Amino acid sequence: ETGVTQSPTHLIKTRGQQVTLRCSSQSGHNTVSWYQQALGQGPQFIFQYYREEENGRGNFPPRFSGLQFPNYSSELNVNALELDDSALYLCASVPDRVGEQYFGPGTRLTVT
Amino acid sequence: AQSVSQHNHHVILSEAASLELGCNYSYGGTVNLFWYVQYPGQHLQLLLKYFSGDPLVKGIKGFEAEFIKSKFSFNLRKPSVQWSDTAEYFCAVNDDAGNMLTFGGGTRLMVKP
Repeated sequence: ETGVTQSPTHLIKTRGQQVTLRCSSQSGHNTVSWYQQALGQGPQFIFQYYREEENGRGNFPPRFSGLQFPNYSSELNVNALELDDSALYLCASVPDRVGEQYFGPGTRLTVT
Repeated sequence: AQSVSQHNHHVILSEAASLELGCNYSYGGTVNLFWYVQYPGQHLQLLLKYFSGDPLVKGIKGFEAEFIKSKFSFNLRKPSVQWSDTAEYFCAVNDDAGNMLTFGGGTRLMVKP
């Protein structure tokens, strides 16, 4: 257990819909990173939030957006869902921007 | 841009066999290196990490890894695997900015009892 929680556990959406995934970071951690893990692949970095500001972004289109709240929990929003968005979405919390990342259990998103 | 490659996609071993999983990265600057493990149905867990100092690092559950800077490698080893080591293993790097972990494609290890 890492103390990082994610909700929901599983989600099924239809192409074109929008989805919001949530992450609660470990107590005392002010940084959250989001990753997409497609089936059979390693996780890919989407973006990171540090003290409520985006602090780096991977190669994902603008329809992937995020938020971090004053309590350092975070949301990942994906608009106009595509079939290729089906994946496990992982959240990781970091003690202070740089360092070991503690991963949550993930949200499995299926787009039909 | 940094990248990570893991040479073995699937490895099958018998219990007590020795394990070595290859990991090579490409990045011109200073990197931090990690091995994560994902047991079936569980979240990613850190096995070990290298930030600086002794290039031979020891992690949990008897795993170790050696950073060879000249070869851009960070191979994972275990002298004697157990059935419970069956899992997927990911090598990852981040740079000094630290905000982005780049993962390899993973190696799925199956240990036969």
